Amino acid sequence: NAGVIQTPRHKVTGKGQEATLWCEPISGHSAVFWYRQTIVQGLEFLTYFRNQAPIDDSGMPKERFSAQMPNQSHSTLKIQSTQPQDSAVYLCASTRSSYEQYFGPGTRLTVL
Amino acid sequence: GQQVQQSPTSLVLQEGENAELQCNFSTSLNSMQWFYQRPGGSLVSVFYNPSGTKQSGRLTSTTVIKERRSSLHISSSQITDSGTYLCAMERRTGYQNFYFGKGTSLTVIP
Repeated sequence: NAGVIQTPRHKVTGKGQEATLWCEPISGHSAVFWYRQTIVQGLEFLTYFRNQAPIDDSGMPKERFSAQMPNQSHSTLKIQSTQPQDSAVYLCASTRSSYEQYFGPGTRLTVL
Repeated sequence: GQQVQQSPTSLVLQEGENAELQCNFSTSLNSMQWFYQRPGGSLVSVFYNPSGTKQSGRLTSTTVIKERRSSLHISSSQITDSGTYLCAMERRTGYQNFYFGKGTSLTVIP
């Protein structure tokens, strides 16, 4: 069991560029969650999918952020026109029905 | 407002001392989980503890659902225990996502 896989581990973009982050959940897990972590705000929920269907995206900034889960083996978080305030560690987690969440190593996004 | 309050914010212990970390929730919860994070590291689950007491080695977690609180006790602390401990709750109503506290930063010195 490789755990939750996130790629890339680090990404540097220029202001205004697009960034796509990838998450591969643990095999057999039915739910995938995206969080963002910064020193100031801590860990913030962004969005989550259950059985590939979007369930709750209440934490997503509406204008530039989008997430998809095209199949049960991966999810993507896309940020268009990145801004310096988007710099953070983006964490993906997956869970079975027991609700215990397992986190990936995160993607550190730096927007210059 | 903050739905999950953790205390203390930071803690410095001498090796061998015990620590008690607290987590209080502002709303009714379905379950909660304790995580450990090293600087620059990912979140590692310490306990998934919806209610009652769980123990693993030197760590003990106690959750009292009706009082909306959970604690993490670390006995005989070691230098390798240093890091940030985060608690997270799943609300009783609404969706399955977790709300996180800001964490307790623990430093164990020799």
